Amino acid sequence: DTGVSQNPRHKITKRGQNVTFRCDPISEHNRLYWYRQTLGQGPEFLTYFQNEAQLEKSRLLSDRFSAERPKGSFSTLEIQRTEQGDSAMYLCASSLREGLADLNQETQYFGPGTRLLVL
Amino acid sequence: AQRVTQPEKLLSVFKGAPVELKCNYSYSGSPELFWYVQYSRQRLQLLLRHISRESIKGFTADLNKGETSFHLKKPFAQEEDSAMYYCALSGPIEELTGGGNKLTFGTGTQLKVEL
Repeated sequence: DTGVSQNPRHKITKRGQNVTFRCDPISEHNRLYWYRQTLGQGPEFLTYFQNEAQLEKSRLLSDRFSAERPKGSFSTLEIQRTEQGDSAMYLCASSLREGLADLNQETQYFGPGTRLLVL
Repeated sequence: AQRVTQPEKLLSVFKGAPVELKCNYSYSGSPELFWYVQYSRQRLQLLLRHISRESIKGFTADLNKGETSFHLKKPFAQEEDSAMYYCALSGPIEELTGGGNKLTFGTGTQLKVEL
């Protein structure tokens, strides 16, 4: 399967614990996005990487959240001191920017998501 | 600010009936609009984008800048069309550095096609 993969698919944790999620983008995709989806809502943008550089973070991303993309390949999203409000589906998407292609013409491909439940 | 509105949480139609899923957007620039679909137990996947002007699985969507709408239509619904549909707007990330577009999604419409 050459699509975006995410691990784990499900995570149950107790409030106050730290959790880390992993995203493996489609090979050669240089852009990687994290989104969060809560019940009854569409996905909401969290952060974005172009290669290994984290170029944007949403105001939704509190200081307890940190994301990395070492070497511009896979990415991790860590949540420290989890709270019940962090319970959500965390989605990763990747895309490829090709040269001078129109910035608005990229297609983001989504992974299956990691569902987090904080007790 | 970017905003996408999908007014219907649930749309139920009979097989063979026409389908229209509504989407309105708010964006000051030149928008790129998408419809994503999520079938039961599957990941979110792109259905179509307005710039392609193509029909996918019988679905079409026309961008109406005057009405700021991007409604999804299909003339004859099929049972396999039952899914959650999300309208999304792509716009440059603020404080642009090197490009990148975040997707702003609506809340989604659950389409149920009944026999």
